[in-house]
Amino acid sequence: SQKIEQNSEALNIQEGKTATLTCNYTNYSPAYLQWYRQDPGRGPVFLLLIRENEKEKRKERLKVTFDTTLKQSLFHITASQPADSATYLCALEANQAGTALIFGKGTTLSVSS
Amino acid sequence: NAGVTQTPKFQVLKTGQSMTLQCAQDMNHEYMSWYRQDPGMGLRLIHYSVGAGITDQGEVPNGYNVSRSTTEDFPLRLLSAAPSQTSVYFCASSATSLWGTEAFFGQGTRLTVV
Repeated sequence: SQKIEQNSEALNIQEGKTATLTCNYTNYSPAYLQWYRQDPGRGPVFLLLIRENEKEKRKERLKVTFDTTLKQSLFHITASQPADSATYLCALEANQAGTALIFGKGTTLSVSS
Repeated sequence: NAGVTQTPKFQVLKTGQSMTLQCAQDMNHEYMSWYRQDPGMGLRLIHYSVGAGITDQGEVPNGYNVSRSTTEDFPLRLLSAAPSQTSVYFCASSATSLWGTEAFFGQGTRLTVV
């Protein structure tokens, strides 16, 4: 079965720096990969989706890359702010039909001022 | 626009009791899913549905039942609660588009089984 790994449980950076989070997957060739943000006590919120034929996608201060050869996605937050502190989850389709998602365990980002 | 609504927000059960976690969405999404989230384990898929009358098992289905009689509702039933089912439960709905399957989550139900 497919497996997703986010190799850092926690990442601490200073305000203004770029945060880079990693998501690796195995046993699968997904059509797309998604990133979500989760704040304490709340449900995940969708941030970005990148398709297999896209190398990079940007949204404001967020950038996602997708390397299907390495089976890896990188999630960047530039000019990070304390408000960016949260847990970030990557997600893939649970099956070929894309009718559900499976998630990595998440990386908790803390941005200090 | 309510999105995905879960009830209750908090629940304490005794071992062996049964209960139903409710989930409703008002976005006319075809897909709905249930996840549990435990410290260090992340979100794990319990059951999902691709439409009314159709359900399937996820990664951790044991001890849970689901049904989907309408597009809007997807209740999760615990027939005989066990302490191992203490967790935060999230319901999500989604619909496939050309851009993929973006999921919308409810606020979660924090369940404690004693």
